[in-house]
Order: sequence, then structure tokens, then C-alpha cells
Amino acid sequence: DAKTTQPTSMDCAEGRAANLPCNHSTISGNEYVYWYRQIHSQGPQYIIHGLKNNETNEMASLIITEDRKSSTLILPHATLRDTAVYYCIVMARGGSNYKLTFGKGTLLTVNP
Amino acid sequence: DTGVSQDPRHKITKRGQNVTFRCDPISEHNRLYWYRQTLGQGPEFLTYFQNEAQLEKSRLLSDRFSAERPKGSFSTLEIQRTEQGDSAMYLCASSLAQGSADTQYFGPGTRLTVL
Repeated sequence: DAKTTQPTSMDCAEGRAANLPCNHSTISGNEYVYWYRQIHSQGPQYIIHGLKNNETNEMASLIITEDRKSSTLILPHATLRDTAVYYCIVMARGGSNYKLTFGKGTLLTVNP
Repeated sequence: DTGVSQDPRHKITKRGQNVTFRCDPISEHNRLYWYRQTLGQGPEFLTYFQNEAQLEKSRLLSDRFSAERPKGSFSTLEIQRTEQGDSAMYLCASSLAQGSADTQYFGPGTRLTVL
């Protein structure tokens, strides 16, 4: 699976949009971009995933660049409860591939 | 609640003791995964089941570790002769492998402290 690069930490004001970047320059054509987050002492929570089109769900939006070498997770109106470590993971789906390879992620701190 | 559940949530044991953790996946999910997470690090893959078959074990999983999923439903992870280095959060995840759909959903984890 391709490696990802994320900033170590970011701050965001409550009520503002949080934009979390991820670089995955070696991504291949069959690899998806997944985002998970982990609030302190809890299990990781699935947020969203995408292949090449932008995706939106009730939690967030995922913007993937046309060349697919980077992506941005957008939390449109961050709240204090969104303070967590956010992981960007690249993984091929289907076949025998099955494991998520987590990096250190980005610690997002939402400030009042 | 129909999410992944894990039991116990916390376990404190003395070095040398055996411990067993249980994971109940989301109903009808055919894949089940175990991960381990130490302080300040992201989760690391340990092992994976498709139905009752254990298809891969990470090199992180020493001979003291054993996992089972006897009927393709719940799974247990046992650690024999625990060591202080086994102290970590043990996470279970499940997914429904159906075509290209295979999103993993995690449980709350079991935090193990070995004294």
C-alpha cells in the first residue's frame, strides 16, 4: 500500500471548517483513500473513503485531487467533540488485501 | 447497539499470567481483525479471519499469542505468560467483504496493563 504523509498537528476554531491534508504521491490506480479518526482512548472511527471522485457524507467531505496524489478531509463546522487524531490511509480493496496500515496521523485540536 | 463490542474494556494483570480477550463483530460481518496500539502510535495489524479461517498473522504476533474464531462469529485473543511489553490497547474490527466493499469498523478496545 502507498504511504501517506500528514501534518503532525493542526488547530481549528469551533464552528469553522477544518481542512486536513494528506499526501499520497505513490498511490496506484486501485487504491482507495480512507479516513479514520480516534478520539482519546477510544477505537478508531470510520469517517469516509473515496477512489477518485469527491465524496460527502453526514460526517465530512473528501476532496481528492485530479492526479490523486493528495486529498483533503473537510469537517464543515468543527465542534469540540471533533478533537481527535485523524488518520489518512491508502488501501487497495478487494482480493486478498485486508489490513489497514496506520501512520501517526494528525492531531486536530478544536478550540472554543 | 449493533457495533463491534469487546470484553473486557480494561485488564490489569501480573507478569506471567495468561489473559483472554473477546470480540463480538457486527452481525453477519465475515471478516474480523485484531490490531494492537501502544501509546503514541497508530494501531498495528496483528491477525485476520475470514469466517473461521485465520488467514494471516503478523510477525508482531509471537508464539505466546493465539487467536480463534471458532464458529465464524466472535473471536478470542489469548496472551500466555504476559510480559510488560504486552501492555497496549487491543483493538478488534470487522468488515463485510462483498465485492470491493470492505470497510472496517472498530470496537472500543481492551486496554491491557501488565504489572
